[in-house]
Amino acid sequence: GIQVEQSPPDLILQEGANSTLRCNFSDSVNNLQWFHQNPWGQLINLFYIPSGTKQNGRLSATTVATERYSLLYISSSQTTDSGVYFCTLNSGGSNYKLTFGKGTLLTVNP
Amino acid sequence: EAGVAQSPRYKIIEKRQSVAFWCNPISGHATLYWYQQILGQGPKLLIQFQNNGVVDDSQLPKDRFSAERLKGVDSTLKIQPAKLEDSAVYLCASSPQGDTEAFFGQGTRLTVV
Repeated sequence: GIQVEQSPPDLILQEGANSTLRCNFSDSVNNLQWFHQNPWGQLINLFYIPSGTKQNGRLSATTVATERYSLLYISSSQTTDSGVYFCTLNSGGSNYKLTFGKGTLLTVNP
Repeated sequence: EAGVAQSPRYKIIEKRQSVAFWCNPISGHATLYWYQQILGQGPKLLIQFQNNGVVDDSQLPKDRFSAERLKGVDSTLKIQPAKLEDSAVYLCASSPQGDTEAFFGQGTRLTVV
């Protein structure tokens, strides 16, 4: 099946810093999503971005499907940005299985 | 628009007991997923439904886990008998179709003692 690699696995920032999270994948994809899992375990939709660039406030994402990677940018980080960021992919085929990466654990210190 | 609803939020049971989780997907969503997330790991797909048919259950431990999706809407996931290693968060998600944006419920945190 499709392989999803996220980097870095862990990231510690001071409040106000910027960061870039990366997701590499091994096959062509029908869709790609970024989620934020907050400390209570809720998976929050950040971006649905099979290709191109999107922005939502301090967050933006870019997917280059032809080169099989996606980037999530967080600017002016806040303590509430802490948590795990997951990249998930749907590789199509007959069942559209949604595959998760292992995540990036982000800690933003005040 | 209402999101994906799951219940209960928390459950503590003894090993060898049985437990059931319920999921109500977003209205009109044909695809429903159940994931298991063990502490410190990413979610693992247990079973995927398209309407009321099973699309993928390759990672479902069928000797103890079962799931059904009645009339292509609500779904229940059952564990019988539970083992200590089943302690995890069980997440339900739905999407309009399999290759579109998926949305997750708040999850059920299961502790087996």
